[in-house]
Amino acid sequence: KAGVTQTPRYLIKTRGQQVTLSCSPISGHRSVSWYQQTPGQGLQFLFEYFSETQRNKGNFPGRFSGRQFSNSRSEMNVSTLELGDSALYLCASSAPGNSYEQYFGPGTRLTVT
Amino acid sequence: QQQVKQSPQSLIVQKGGISIINCAYENTAFDYFPWYQQFPGKGPALLIAIRPDVSEKKEGRFTISFNKSAKQFSLHIMDSQPGDSATYFCAGRTSWGKLQFGAGTQVVVTP
Repeated sequence: KAGVTQTPRYLIKTRGQQVTLSCSPISGHRSVSWYQQTPGQGLQFLFEYFSETQRNKGNFPGRFSGRQFSNSRSEMNVSTLELGDSALYLCASSAPGNSYEQYFGPGTRLTVT
Repeated sequence: QQQVKQSPQSLIVQKGGISIINCAYENTAFDYFPWYQQFPGKGPALLIAIRPDVSEKKEGRFTISFNKSAKQFSLHIMDSQPGDSATYFCAGRTSWGKLQFGAGTQVVVTP
């Protein structure tokens, strides 16, 4: 089975721009969670989607948003980028009936200049 | 507020030795405690996990010890190998899809 895939793998944006990141979960997985990883703050939970509904949200400003499609693929969007948004953005998926085990993708490395 | 405190920040162990990483948590609502292994340029990979009603879980060279009353758990890597050199994260799960991670421990296994 193919793992979680994320596109693009690397991205460079300018402050003030917006960005959209994509995540395709493992086949059959319906829950997708997003995390931000930085050297200073570590791994922080952004939000979780299941069946196109956001079920959980972390403590991030409203500039961070996401959505999930009927095929379980998910996107996250960051508007009005700030330098501090530079990070590795990770998504993880889990199977129905086993939401405990989350499997991570390789991440998207976002650099804001 | 860091709800999962992980130590040490880094450790160096000789090949064949035992690596021990400790985590302490505050949130008693955590219902699942996974450990993840991350190599540079890769996403975290689920290594081993435990539920709070179990005191120990062993998978190969990796063992989790869990002390519910002390709100502490630890990862032991037996017979450490150079290929185990990575960053290890402990975590606690609260609710839907939400893992709260420790700060990570960089493990270096010397030949």
